[in-house]
Amino acid sequence: KNEVEQSPQNLTAQEGEFITINCSYSVGISALHWLQQHPGGGIVSLFMLSSGKKKHGRLIATINIQEKHSSLHITASHPRDSAVYICAAYNNNDMRFGAGTRLTVKP
Amino acid sequence: SQTIHQWPATLVQPVGSPLSLECTVEGTSNPNLYWYRQAAGRGLQLLFYSIGIDQISSEVPQNLSASRPQDRQFILSSKKLLLSDSGFYLCAWSVRGRGWGYTFGSGTRLTVV
Repeated sequence: KNEVEQSPQNLTAQEGEFITINCSYSVGISALHWLQQHPGGGIVSLFMLSSGKKKHGRLIATINIQEKHSSLHITASHPRDSAVYICAAYNNNDMRFGAGTRLTVKP
Repeated sequence: SQTIHQWPATLVQPVGSPLSLECTVEGTSNPNLYWYRQAAGRGLQLLFYSIGIDQISSEVPQNLSASRPQDRQFILSSKKLLLSDSGFYLCAWSVRGRGWGYTFGSGTRLTVV
């Protein structure tokens, strides 16, 4: 079993839909990251969470430390949101990655 | 502001040839530095991380090596490439000892032929 599990692996949505990507982890963490990888490969850090909830534009990330679970939500999805979203658990100079969720938003 | 530079962007190398990928960070001191590999259709795998000059930790045994000759320079090398070394290599840095400021380079797509 992987230390960081993401679901779903693939997600196709229509423009405007509300999207949720889930992440469960089994390791101890000091921070949980959500990353976005574009088709060209470049990776951008979206959020870093250690508790609660963060919001940036149409993106919302939540974490439940007790349940070792985090979610990334996208409201009013748009085709430009199409990318691979990666959850990563950080602790003690080490980062463990989920396999990623490939999101395709159709117009 | 901090920036991270990684080059080259793409590389095609024959089997058995050497490899050198370079990553430099600007605008910060004493960063943690990381090399990751992403094989086709797979997640990111940590190869090496460094908390200081000449301090390298290897996560996965392989024919790759890493060096950190300067505080903000991280080099990934191989003496003889294998076909299985093909993939997308990413350098990243973070604030030492914390999960903050985790920033990735633009990546190098390596194809070993």
